[in-house]
Amino acid sequence: DTEVTQTPKHLVMGMTNKKSLKCEQHMGHRAMYWYKQKAKKPPELMFVYSYEKLSINESVPSRFSPECPNSSLLNLHLHALQPEDSALYLCASSQDPSAWDSSYEQYFGPGTRLTVT
Amino acid sequence: LAKTTQPISMDSYEGQEVNITCSHNNIATNDYITWYQQFPSQGPRFIIQGYKTKVTNEVASLFIPADRKSSTLSLPRVSLSDTAVYYCLVKNNFNKFYFGSGTKLNVKP
Repeated sequence: DTEVTQTPKHLVMGMTNKKSLKCEQHMGHRAMYWYKQKAKKPPELMFVYSYEKLSINESVPSRFSPECPNSSLLNLHLHALQPEDSALYLCASSQDPSAWDSSYEQYFGPGTRLTVT
Repeated sequence: LAKTTQPISMDSYEGQEVNITCSHNNIATNDYITWYQQFPSQGPRFIIQGYKTKVTNEVASLFIPADRKSSTLSLPRVSLSDTAVYYCLVKNNFNKFYFGSGTKLNVKP
């Protein structure tokens, strides 16, 4: 199974809502990533988890809160978002030991299309 | 911060070979260069990865000169289904990795 799954596929939320994005992989990968991608732009790294511990936070605002409950699951909790946070949120995983090492092939999920109204 | 530069877009016809170059001046000395393909509303998909000289797999080749300040993805005999955005992914010498700006390849019949 070389698949990364993400739910929901689409999400519309108001600026006062709290919601969560979910990501799951069963490839035994020990690094998991959250990216944000705006239209016609490359993915931008937000967070990296290595062995279920947060190893990289790319100065992401605190209204985004990641969580890695176990080695297969990654969540992104959203609270008090702004309209400019509307984007495609991508989850990825890789067989890692050093989570920031780009030499490991990353497997991406299909993303969650988030719209903040 | 290091920058990567890719052409914004390229046009090609079916059956042609396409070469897409990424310039990465500040690549980390011990890091690989990876290329990804992305279709609309999908996550990027790994194509090929290399450290130096030439790497070939069943879908592409990757050429990396000795100074490693650039890399060229070569797609042989493209088809309509190769229409996508292509990104290089590198790590700079501050241990930050990031995608290049992306090249939109349009393959025409």
